This record gives sequence, structure tokens and C-alpha cells, in this order.
Amino acid sequence: QLQLQESGPGLVKPSETLALTCTVSGGSISSGTNYWGWIRQPPGKGLEWIGSIYYSGSTYYNPSLKSRVTMSVDTSRNQFSLKLSSVTAADTAVFYCARLQDYAPFYFDYWGQGTLVIVSS
Amino acid sequence: SSELTQDPAVSVALGQTVRITCQGDSLRTFYASWYQQKPGQAPVLVIYGRNSRPSGIPDRFSGSNSRNTASLTITGAQPEDEADYYCNSRDSSGTHLYVFGTGTKVTVL
Repeated sequence: QLQLQESGPGLVKPSETLALTCTVSGGSISSGTNYWGWIRQPPGKGLEWIGSIYYSGSTYYNPSLKSRVTMSVDTSRNQFSLKLSSVTAADTAVFYCARLQDYAPFYFDYWGQGTLVIVSS
Repeated sequence: SSELTQDPAVSVALGQTVRITCQGDSLRTFYASWYQQKPGQAPVLVIYGRNSRPSGIPDRFSGSNSRNTASLTITGAQPEDEADYYCNSRDSSGTHLYVFGTGTKVTVL
């Protein structure tokens, strides 16, 4: 059974860079044709797709966040990561990592439990 | 970029049927996927493609599509179906971009 687990600081100061890692177990991040994605959810609000990455390093980002987002992959550790720069209180959210089938039909089938990141001084 | 619009909230009597809709231009090209999210939990995929359910999802969940609208139907709603539901699809630009719907809170009475 594939499992994903987010990790990283739960508190980040305004203007700094948020950095999270998703560790994949029960399967290889570099097998198959799946992409790997990040989704966030501000408290009490809806889901927002942040971006997706392939094991080769190919990335796609939400245009509204593109200038601040960097995603990377470490196949040796079976992990992929998210960096979001110049954070503000509006970036406070639960961040989820998920596996994405990026060919029709498209869907996110495995999700991490989520990690809450609070942006505050 | 695309937008997917859902009704904020719907209610359904126990054992009755409820349909949740998702509207957006991208749905003229791409099927929606649907996610159930209970408080404090991660979303769970319940419907994808034309009308496919992942293993373990009850058959009371079904999906349909028409023009720019995708629908998720719960036939014979159960107390455990009370949750937020989100649709998702690729962006209408056709590139590898994705958008989530605004979400619908389903209350089982």
C-alpha cells in the first residue's frame, strides 16, 4: 500500500521560505508514469493545487504561485519537496502531498495526512 | 486559468439521494475527479473518469457529466457521507495544470 508523509517546520516567519518534504513508502517515486503533487488548504477554506513534479524533475506550477514555488525530487530517498518563498500569513495552511495520475483520466489517488504550517512572527 | 464552481452546501435526508454539481469550462474537455473530505482528514478520491470508483468506495457514489457540468450523486445517503466534497480537473488550457472546485458541504439529516 502506497503511503505518503509530509514533514517540515510547523511555524515559519513572514518573508521567509517554507520548506516541506514528502516521503513516499510502499512504492518507488520513479516507477510508472505518475506525477507527484502538492495541494494546500487554508484553515476553513478549500483546496488549492500548488504544483506537480515528475521523477525526472519536470515541474508544473499553479500560475498564481509560480513566482514563489520550487519543487524538487530526490529519487535516492524516495522523496519530493516543496519550497514556497516570501511567505505571508495568507500562506498559513495544511499542506498535502499526493500522487497524481497525469494522463486521462486525471486524479490524485494517494494523499498524505497533511501538515499544518503557520506563518507568524 | 479555469474555475470550477460548486454549491456551498446541500442537505439530504438519511437514505435519500443527493446530487452535487461542479461547473466549469474545463469540464467540456476533461472529466472531473471527486474527493470526500471529513473534518481533520485528508481528501479521499471517490470518483474519477467517466464514472469509476477506487477500490473500497461504496457503489452508492456515482458520477456523470454533461457539457460543462460534472455531477456526483450519492444514492441512499448514510451518516458517514456527511463531509465536504471537491471536484478537480485539468485546467481548460490543456496543460499540466489543475484546479479544484470551491467545495460543497453535504449534511445528512
